[in-house]
Amino acid sequence: DQQVKQNSPSLSVQEGRISILNCDYTNSMFDYFLWYKKYPAEGPTFLISISSIKDKNEDGRFTVFLNKSAKHLSLHIVPSQPGDSAVYFCAASAITGANSKLTFGKGITLSVRP
Amino acid sequence: EAQVTQNPRYLITVTGKKLTVTCSQNMNHEYMSWYRQDPGLGLRQIYYSMNVEVTDKGDVPEGYKVSRKEKRNFPLILESPSPNQTSLYFCASSSDRGDSPLHFGNGTRLTVT
Repeated sequence: DQQVKQNSPSLSVQEGRISILNCDYTNSMFDYFLWYKKYPAEGPTFLISISSIKDKNEDGRFTVFLNKSAKHLSLHIVPSQPGDSAVYFCAASAITGANSKLTFGKGITLSVRP
Repeated sequence: EAQVTQNPRYLITVTGKKLTVTCSQNMNHEYMSWYRQDPGLGLRQIYYSMNVEVTDKGDVPEGYKVSRKEKRNFPLILESPSPNQTSLYFCASSSDRGDSPLHFGNGTRLTVT
């Protein structure tokens, strides 16, 4: 049973527009959420995180929103750039900072068209 | 440069031939782990280690072994590889600070025929 779901396998957006990547989770014990970005032939790199005590966290062009009641989080990228084209993994943990307990989603492939 | 180094990057082997994928980090991180990435399944944890001589199973440990004799190294051992272990493998590390994200290596693509 997949506890972290990224139901859309891919997303294509125009350069300069907003990209919205969605993630749903089923485990109500999750209280820490992260997004990782992965380019081909490289390992994933940490992008942004959010604790369950917040509903929004912003870092430059990247904003993560958390809706605990809906068990849903989303990553907004504004404005999108061609260099943002990558696979994005959503991850969740029931213990803040406990990397040993991270559960990853399947990933979403984002393509940003010039 | 802070990094996690995996070797080899690509490996083709035959069923039953023991192999080791090495992983080394230069950040003095306490925590290290191994993941495999498969199409449609995302990243799944194989084994992890909280510190030297401390290892534990992740979600898919069957067919794998690990060891943590030194802080910087965390090799992944396949004693008798099988075709269902064909996958893309990532090693990762982090400090034991509560907000420390994982640092990943660049991956090892393993094919078992």
